[in-house]
Amino acid sequence: GDSVTQMEGPVTLSEEAFLTINCTYTATGYPSLFWYVQYPGEGLQLLLKATKADDKGSNKGFEATYRKETTSFHLEKGSVQVSDSAVYFCALSDRTNAGKSTFGDGTTLTVKP
Amino acid sequence: DTAVSQTPKYLVTQMGNDKSIKCEQNLGHDTMYWYKQDSKKFLKIMFSYNNKELIINETVPNRFSPKSPDKAHLNLHINSLELGDSAVYFCASSQKAWVTGELFFGEGSRLTVL
Repeated sequence: GDSVTQMEGPVTLSEEAFLTINCTYTATGYPSLFWYVQYPGEGLQLLLKATKADDKGSNKGFEATYRKETTSFHLEKGSVQVSDSAVYFCALSDRTNAGKSTFGDGTTLTVKP
Repeated sequence: DTAVSQTPKYLVTQMGNDKSIKCEQNLGHDTMYWYKQDSKKFLKIMFSYNNKELIINETVPNRFSPKSPDKAHLNLHINSLELGDSAVYFCASSQKAWVTGELFFGEGSRLTVL
């Protein structure tokens, strides 16, 4: 079945540091890949997505590239801010599985001033 | 105008009671979901409905019964609540099933069973 493995947290960084959160996946079909972000007390919201190999998703300074050869979709940001503190979820959606989304376990990021 | 709204936001109840959570989406989406998020933030799908038809039913105790009166609404009824049911329950929607689209989440309903 489908699965998503992402870097364990928590991750604590200083403001303006470089962020990488690793994500790898296993899927039977050709999934789309997503990063969702959950701010404290809120629901998840889409951060970025990529629908095919070599696509790069980007939003709010975050980027991730769909790497089919390494089955990875690592999240990066060049300079984090305190406001980026949140839980980040890597996910895939597989058309062959009723479009069901499978989520990683989430990585909690805390950015200190 | 909230896209996916769920009520109530908080429920506190005793073991053995029954409770319901309601969800509505105004996005015109065909597909709706219930997810459970535990205290470690792990997110697990419970059910999915496409145009009022149940299409995903994960291994969930039959004390949990979803109902979709129309494609804009998905409710969750829980009978005989147990301590382990304490969690945040998220409703979500997507444009269509069997396509790889993003999910739109509600703000969650935090259930505490005492």
